[in-house]
Amino acid sequence: DTGVSQDPRHKITKRGQNVTFRCDPISEHNRLYWYRQTLGQGPEFLTYFQNEAQLEKSRLLSDRFSAERPKGSFSTLEIQRTEQGDSAMYLCASSSQGTGGSTNYGYTFGSGTRLTVV
Amino acid sequence: TQLLEQSPQFLSIQEGENLTVYCNSSSVFSSLQWYRQEPGEGPVLLVTVVTGGEVKKLKRLTFQFGDARKDSSLHITAAQPGDTGLYLCAGERHSWGKFQFGAGTQVVVTP
Repeated sequence: DTGVSQDPRHKITKRGQNVTFRCDPISEHNRLYWYRQTLGQGPEFLTYFQNEAQLEKSRLLSDRFSAERPKGSFSTLEIQRTEQGDSAMYLCASSSQGTGGSTNYGYTFGSGTRLTVV
Repeated sequence: TQLLEQSPQFLSIQEGENLTVYCNSSSVFSSLQWYRQEPGEGPVLLVTVVTGGEVKKLKRLTFQFGDARKDSSLHITAAQPGDTGLYLCAGERHSWGKFQFGAGTQVVVTP
């Protein structure tokens, strides 16, 4: 297993266009997370999946954002009608569920997709 | 307002010096993690602490979880240029499997 893969690494798009990012988690991990990180800040939680079920969405995730994990494997994050404020690094992470629902083993992050909206 | 406050925001030291970074909150966490992130890459997990008062050592890095599980510290002994990076703490509440991150401490170690 090569870890968590994200594609593309970089995306430049014009304001108003739609973009889609893909994340391939570690195959044994049943949990998948999306975070957004802007310069000088820590990652901000967007949403997460356990298998194919989307368990939580942050209030940061407006109606223009949608995430899917159709077969409990890879996931996609789509942003519709992009705005300049969407420019950020989008990070995907996966983990296995520990005992009692706690993720004691931590996240494995991908290298991220850097989005620039011009 | 960040759930986890990290201090200092930036730290620049010479090779061989020691440093400590802090992660504080008013909330109790079921577990807390430390990550290091390099430019253009995702964070890499360093350690997970789950028990109040726990101390873990990873070579020159020492991690401590506060007795009340509200705060943590990371101490680096004899820092090296390879320790340069953004150090992030992340806390999990209620064992839900979702971690919230602090804003990080940028550490620069110069030769």
